[in-house]
Amino acid sequence: GESVGLHLPTLSVQEGDNSIINCAYSNSASDYFIWYKQESGKGPQFIIDIRSNMDKRQGQRVTVLLNKTVKHLSLQIAATQPGDSAVYFCAERVTGNQFYFGTGTSLTVIP
Amino acid sequence: DGGITQSPKYLFRKEGQNVTLSCEQNLNHDAMYWYRQDPGQGLRLIYYSQIVNDFQKGDIAEGYSVSREKKESFPLTVTSAQKNPTAFYLCASSTRDIHEQYFGPGTRLTVT
Repeated sequence: GESVGLHLPTLSVQEGDNSIINCAYSNSASDYFIWYKQESGKGPQFIIDIRSNMDKRQGQRVTVLLNKTVKHLSLQIAATQPGDSAVYFCAERVTGNQFYFGTGTSLTVIP
Repeated sequence: DGGITQSPKYLFRKEGQNVTLSCEQNLNHDAMYWYRQDPGQGLRLIYYSQIVNDFQKGDIAEGYSVSREKKESFPLTVTSAQKNPTAFYLCASSTRDIHEQYFGPGTRLTVT
């Protein structure tokens, strides 16, 4: 999962397997969360979001789970493909339009 | 195509020089943001603007300045007062009601 520090957590998966990326958020009052995907040298791309009144939300090949009790967010990617290789990070909305961003997890898909 | 553009993609400057990074959006978004990204760290908010002619400091505003004269544009100036300006700078925008932030492609600034 994500952590504060100089080195990104890494996750390597075989093509076709499912991936689970974790994120611990900091503020119990945060009411909205986003997962982003960032490829090297590019800007982050929105993957999926979830509001705090939900536990689970599904998109195309992705599912986000929210556990407010332990302030934990996870991103599940089904049938991981080489194009999924990137850094994934979560963002929590703390107030208004201000977000705190996690440091990210580097996902490598092995063909 | 609608989106956010940042220019240039790479920028090199000598220490002591001010430099301005461009950010333009044609998404008709009210809010715009500037973030800095350093290796191994999450995005850190420099400045944000929720409406034209108004902007607020983020967590690391020192050494930076912005303007918001037009809805579409939110340029960031990195001044010589910024102690460690070399970084990847990301601009984002969002509507006021839907909080998903759309990001530009980023500008990598190197100051030597």
